Amino acid sequence: QVQLQESGPGLVKPSETLSLTCTVSGGSVSSGSYYWSWIRQPPGKGLEWIGYIYYSGSINYNPSLKSRVTISVDTSKNQFSLKLSSVTAADTAVYYCARGLGYCSGGNCLRFDYWGQGTLVTVSS
Amino acid sequence: DIQMTQSPSSLSASVGDRVTITCRTSQSISIYLNWYQQKPGKAPKLLIYAASSLQSGVPSRFSGSGSGTDFTLTISSLQPEDFATYYCQQTYSIRLTFGGGTKVEIK
Repeated sequence: QVQLQESGPGLVKPSETLSLTCTVSGGSVSSGSYYWSWIRQPPGKGLEWIGYIYYSGSINYNPSLKSRVTISVDTSKNQFSLKLSSVTAADTAVYYCARGLGYCSGGNCLRFDYWGQGTLVTVSS
Repeated sequence: DIQMTQSPSSLSASVGDRVTITCRTSQSISIYLNWYQQKPGKAPKLLIYAASSLQSGVPSRFSGSGSGTDFTLTISSLQPEDFATYYCQQTYSIRLTFGGGTKVEIK
């Protein structure tokens, strides 16, 4: 059974960098047709996709966040990470890591089948 | 960007009711649409992928249909555990987007 667990500071100051890690168990971040992803949800609002890193290393970011986002993988620890720079109060949200699974040969055949429990990050001084 | 419009934004229904939620996209996305269920304080759960394929382990009372720009999630007989918020998601565009959500409440 695949499990994902987010970890990182719950409070970040404005203008600083938000850093989160997702630890994967029950599977490998370096195998399979998986898109290791970050998704966030501001309190009381809907879901926003942040970006993903494909198991091969290719990356896709939400254009609205692209200038501030970095997603990377650490295969030795079976983890992937999110860094979001220059945060403001608008970045306050529950951050989820998720596994995207390709279900056909095309790049747009993608479903998020496993999710972490989510971690609330508050941006405040 | 592909805009996604879910309707209704909320609905009240009784146990046993048939419930239909609609998701409309601003341009054709073929069948690249997923549906998720989210309960308060929990992560979303995948229900349907590729517009109509039932995710493993999901009860058969959930079904999806549609292609192009118009999609539907149907719950054939609403159960107490189905009261939640439902989101559609398109994966056709390189910028993945979610609908605004439909909250299903108890009447």
